[in-house]
Amino acid sequence: EDQVTQSPEALRLQEGESSSLNCSYTVSGLRGLFWYRQDPGKGPEFLFTLYSAGEEKEKERLKATLTKKESFLHITAPKPEDSATYLCAVQARGTYKYIFGTGTRLKVLA
Amino acid sequence: EAQVTQNPRYLITVTGKKLTVTCSQNMNHEYMSWYRQDPGLGLRQIYYSMNVEVTDKGDVPEGYKVSRKEKRNFPLILESPSPNQTSLYFCASSYGDRGAEKLFFGSGTQLSVL
Repeated sequence: EDQVTQSPEALRLQEGESSSLNCSYTVSGLRGLFWYRQDPGKGPEFLFTLYSAGEEKEKERLKATLTKKESFLHITAPKPEDSATYLCAVQARGTYKYIFGTGTRLKVLA
Repeated sequence: EAQVTQNPRYLITVTGKKLTVTCSQNMNHEYMSWYRQDPGLGLRQIYYSMNVEVTDKGDVPEGYKVSRKEKRNFPLILESPSPNQTSLYFCASSYGDRGAEKLFFGSGTQLSVL
């Protein structure tokens, strides 16, 4: 069964304190892995798509990496405006279903 | 502006009273889908549609219906809502035809079934 597990559930960081969020996945052939950001009361907003192990993508203070079993979202020198829930999702080959993890709630303190 | 529009934003109803949540996108996307979001369970896919008149079940389709008569619209129908369908619902769309496309989400519909 396709599955996505995110850790930690919640994370509090001081402004400038770098860290990483983890997304472990089990899927019968990965078509794509996605990272989204969700602010309270809003719909998820797309950040990155990764397609194959070894791939990396960056956007401002965020960097996503992918291995055959997990993905990391690295946050470098975070700011309070980076506070949000970060969601990971996968899509398996041969299907058009998306499987989401339960997310990591990030709080960055000034 | 490219967007996915859901209505209503908030809905309170009673058990058994049929309701429809509308979803419309203006990006000419092939793929549209519905999700529910519950604390501790994350986003779970209810139904998706690859194109007009083509729909398929997600992971939690029980108690829901969908239709795709036009490319831009994908309504979610609860014919006999029950309290366990109280949740935050999101509609999303993408180009879809190549697979693994990023999803564009609506703002959500908070549904309470009493």
